[in-house]
Amino acid sequence: GAVVSQHPSWVICKSGTSVKIECRSLDFQATTMFWYRQFPKQSLMLMATSNEGSKATYEQGVEKDKFLINHASLTLSTLTVTSAHPEDSSFYICSASRTSGSQTQYFGPGTRLLVL
Amino acid sequence: GQQVMQIPQYQHVQEGEDFTTYCNSSTTLSNIQWYKQRPGGHPVFLIQLVKSGEVKKQKRLTFQFGEAKKNSSLHITATQTTDVGTYFCAGNSGYALNFGKGTSLLVTP
Repeated sequence: GAVVSQHPSWVICKSGTSVKIECRSLDFQATTMFWYRQFPKQSLMLMATSNEGSKATYEQGVEKDKFLINHASLTLSTLTVTSAHPEDSSFYICSASRTSGSQTQYFGPGTRLLVL
Repeated sequence: GQQVMQIPQYQHVQEGEDFTTYCNSSTTLSNIQWYKQRPGGHPVFLIQLVKSGEVKKQKRLTFQFGEAKKNSSLHITATQTTDVGTYFCAGNSGYALNFGKGTSLLVTP
């Protein structure tokens, strides 16, 4: 159990377009979902935490109007990178937790975004 | 805020040698978790330590949680090429996980 999927696994887009990434918990209900960004050979940088039905909590320095997060159900969260620019190119990984905040997180396979 | 420091950043060993990565938190943790990320992959949960002084083993991997619940270590005995990857610790403050920068392990045959 505890499988998390992410779609798409990779995406290439033109500068100025918006990209939506979906994160789904396939076999459990995720009270909390997390969105991370990882640059090559670097650690995971938490972008935001979202609880089902409420607004996401963004980490300092992360623009909430740039990275729109929707956690509409206990099994789905989406991250939309709006008006993407080349510097937004990165590996975006979601994770899901059965309970709020601090319990074990199950990671999705990640989405590689390349903005041209 | 809470900071989690992890050392070393990189480690290159010959197959069969041991490997250890260390994690230190600036504050007392409710628990600590360890994850492994293979090259090109995503982090995979390995284990969670909760109790002060706790030691857990998974085959050749030994995980330890310090008495003060502020530090932890992961030790791999007799490394194999399949151990290659980045090992992250994540300190749990009770609200959120704070990941260390990870230790990248390279094992050469």
